[in-house]
Amino acid sequence: GDSVTQMEGPVTLSEEACLTINCTYTATGYPSLFWYVQYPGEGLQLLLKATKADDKGSNKGFEATYRKETTSFHLEKGSVQVSDSAVYFCALSQETSGSRLTFGEGTQLTVNP
Amino acid sequence: KAGVTQTPRYLIKTRGQQVTLSCSPISGHRSVSWYQQTPGQGLQFLFEYFSETQRNKGNFPGRFSGRQFSNSRSEMNVSTLELGDSALYLCASSVRTDSYNEQFFGPGTRLTVL
Repeated sequence: GDSVTQMEGPVTLSEEACLTINCTYTATGYPSLFWYVQYPGEGLQLLLKATKADDKGSNKGFEATYRKETTSFHLEKGSVQVSDSAVYFCALSQETSGSRLTFGEGTQLTVNP
Repeated sequence: KAGVTQTPRYLIKTRGQQVTLSCSPISGHRSVSWYQQTPGQGLQFLFEYFSETQRNKGNFPGRFSGRQFSNSRSEMNVSTLELGDSALYLCASSVRTDSYNEQFFGPGTRLTVL
């Protein structure tokens, strides 16, 4: 079945550092890919998405590019802020599976001032 | 628009009991999905309901069940609770956008089984 693998965490960075969280997937066909963020005590929020190969999703300074050849969707940000501290989840969905999301393990990001 | 609401937010039960969790989707959303989140297993899909019909089901035992009402509100039920059922249960409602289903998550119900 489909699966998503994220880099192991936790990740600790200083403010203004560069961020990369790796995400690779195994799936048939052409899934849609997502990054969700979860702040303490809250549900998940959609951060960005890409629905076809070579699409770049972007939001709030975060970016990720759908790479079909490497089955990857790495999350990047050039300069992180303390407010970016949260858990980040990579996920995929298939056209044939309704709204079902398959998630990666999640990566805890802590940004220190 | 109001977001996805889940009630109750916190729940404590003992082994062997049953529990019912409720989810009210965003107005106009007809699909509701449920997920279990635990430190060990991460986020796992339980099931999805669309127009009162179960459209998808994950790999959970039959103790986990759900339903959806005509107003799209959904409930999930867990019978004969086990310690391992302690988790954050997240509900998400979704709407079709371009070529994918955009999901909006509620804050979750934290279930503790003693």
